[in-house]
Amino acid sequence: DAGVTQSPTHLIKTRGQHVTLRCSPISGHKSVSWYQQVLGQGPQFIFQYYEKEERGRGNFPDRFSARQFPNYSSELNVNALLLGDSALYLCASSLEASLSYEQYFGPGTRLTVT
Amino acid sequence: AQSVAQPEDQVNVAEGNPLTVKCTYSVSGNPYLFWYVQYPNRGLQFLLKYITGDNLVKGSYGFEAEFNKSQTSFHLKKPSALVSDSALYFCAVRDNNGGFKTIFGAGTRLFVKA
Repeated sequence: DAGVTQSPTHLIKTRGQHVTLRCSPISGHKSVSWYQQVLGQGPQFIFQYYEKEERGRGNFPDRFSARQFPNYSSELNVNALLLGDSALYLCASSLEASLSYEQYFGPGTRLTVT
Repeated sequence: AQSVAQPEDQVNVAEGNPLTVKCTYSVSGNPYLFWYVQYPNRGLQFLLKYITGDNLVKGSYGFEAEFNKSQTSFHLKKPSALVSDSALYFCAVRDNNGGFKTIFGAGTRLFVKA
């Protein structure tokens, strides 16, 4: 079975630009979460979506937004990019939104903002 | 506020010796605790979780973790380390206070020497 897939693998953007990252969950998984991982740190929670609805939001500015589609895939959008947005962006899927379910992570999208 | 602490940036152990990677947490209600491992150039992989029940939980690759409510700890253990266990280990707690956040520790790098 395919795991969580993310695209693109790498991305280079300029300050002020906009970026869209994409994620496809494991088949049958209904919940998708997004994380930002800066080098040397643990993943920081950005959003969780379940059945197309936002179920959780981390401490990120409004420049960050996301959505989930009927097929449970998801997009993370970041507007007005800053140098500090350079990071590995991880997508994770889980069977349900319940807190007891473990998450399965994709390989990430490496975003570099210059 | 929920938080997770991994007090050791790095743990060194000889192959065949037991290993412990420490994690302490702070939550307002019942904790949902997880351990994940990140190998170089690969995404995070789920190892084990504590939701309720027996304080000693067993997971993948021979790892286990001990939940200690009085010490608010969830240390990861393995009786006999392998060189292939060398990786970055993350402890995580899920927010159970009306939200769906997951909070990760900063990570502990494990080096197993042959």
